Amino acid sequence: GAVVSQHPSWVICKSGTSVKIECRSLDFQATTMFWYRQFPKQSLMLMATSNEGSKATYEQGVEKDKFLINHASLTLSTLTVTSAHPEDSSFYICSASDLYNEQFFGPGTRLTVL
Amino acid sequence: AQSVTQLDSHVSVSEGTPVLLRCNYSSSYSPSLFWYVQHPNKGLQLLLKYTSAATLVKGINGFEAEFKKSETSFHLTKPSAHMSDAAEYFCVVINMEYGNKLVFGAGTILRVKS
Repeated sequence: GAVVSQHPSWVICKSGTSVKIECRSLDFQATTMFWYRQFPKQSLMLMATSNEGSKATYEQGVEKDKFLINHASLTLSTLTVTSAHPEDSSFYICSASDLYNEQFFGPGTRLTVL
Repeated sequence: AQSVTQLDSHVSVSEGTPVLLRCNYSSSYSPSLFWYVQHPNKGLQLLLKYTSAATLVKGINGFEAEFKKSETSFHLTKPSAHMSDAAEYFCVVINMEYGNKLVFGAGTILRVKS
């Protein structure tokens, strides 16, 4: 099956710093990538949808200036959490969609902001 | 709009006994439904999917689900639980009104007792 990787798998940062998370489709081209956030003991919430070469579409309530998404190629999307605060601590999961619109999920990135 | 309701937040079974995880859906269209499994601090793995073909869908690891339109249900079952099945399970529907976005249920944590 298709493989999606995320890097890093976990990160700890100080409040006020920025963190970049990478999502890569390893063996297929993903025209669309999705970013989800999962708080402890909760379900996944879609943050944004990104299409290669165009601006991301953010879900209601998600600050686009805080969560910067770049989808520069068909195999790479990045999520940058700018000026991170403790409330941004969460599990961030990306998924990549193939030609048949099936989504393949990455292993997730655990972000802890001190 | 499409939505799913997972009726149990926690299910506990003994190893070797049947598993039943319940999911009801709401959809204006003929839905596409999925079950995903998430082990602790891991990404999501697709167990099975229903896309308007056979109503009884067989997935990986011995899981299966039956689409029942009259009951608007898509319950996940397994005849005999294994310790390795302990995880969180998400029932998911595609929101076809909004770019085929996945809509996640709240999740059911499955505990398997030895």
